Amino acid sequence: GAGVSQSPRYKVTKRGQDVALRCDPISGHVSLYWYRQALGQGPEFLTYFNYEAQQDKSGLPNDRFSAERPEGSISTLTIQRTEQRDSAMYRCASSLGTGTGAYEQYFGPGTRLTVT
Amino acid sequence: GQNIDQPTEMTATEGAIVQINCTYQTSGFNGLFWYQQHAGEAPTFLSYNVLDGLEEKGRFSSFLSRSKGYSYLLLKELQMKDSASYLCAVRARNAGNMLTFGGGTRLMVKP
Repeated sequence: GAGVSQSPRYKVTKRGQDVALRCDPISGHVSLYWYRQALGQGPEFLTYFNYEAQQDKSGLPNDRFSAERPEGSISTLTIQRTEQRDSAMYRCASSLGTGTGAYEQYFGPGTRLTVT
Repeated sequence: GQNIDQPTEMTATEGAIVQINCTYQTSGFNGLFWYQQHAGEAPTFLSYNVLDGLEEKGRFSSFLSRSKGYSYLLLKELQMKDSASYLCAVRARNAGNMLTFGGGTRLMVKP
């Protein structure tokens, strides 16, 4: 079946502009996660959802970052007033469930954001 | 908070065995995952440990010691395609399924 998809794959924006990154999880997956990954580093947690409820947003760097998943499926990560330091690969992942158990996360291809 | 350490780079020879170590500190351990990530691609799941001991899956095995805060990933019969980054990630209790990743170990397999 289809995996996790993200769009756009590449986004170049000017400093100060707002951007919206989209994630389409695997159908039926309860949980959806957003990570940011710098080159040569592991993914850094930003936020996650169970169904439409945002469970943890402790990893969002500041209040310019927000995320939603209004119908418990597709999610959007929005960055307002972008800054050059926001440039990174933004990855989305989904899992069948949450809590104890393997519940491996399936990662999408990512959106490479460049702020000029 | 959580702290995860793994070597930055390792080199091994095709056909050999390599062990990638991971040490962690966490408040309330609830599982350890290993992911493989080829350059320019998304991470893919390799293994999961929540109890002490060895989990074997083909050429790959993963070991966990909760008392020592230690895990390793063992790769046997190395192939050139195993050249990738290997990410250790820990899940904490009461944190849902949120993972904290280490910086990754870049493995280079040479002929």
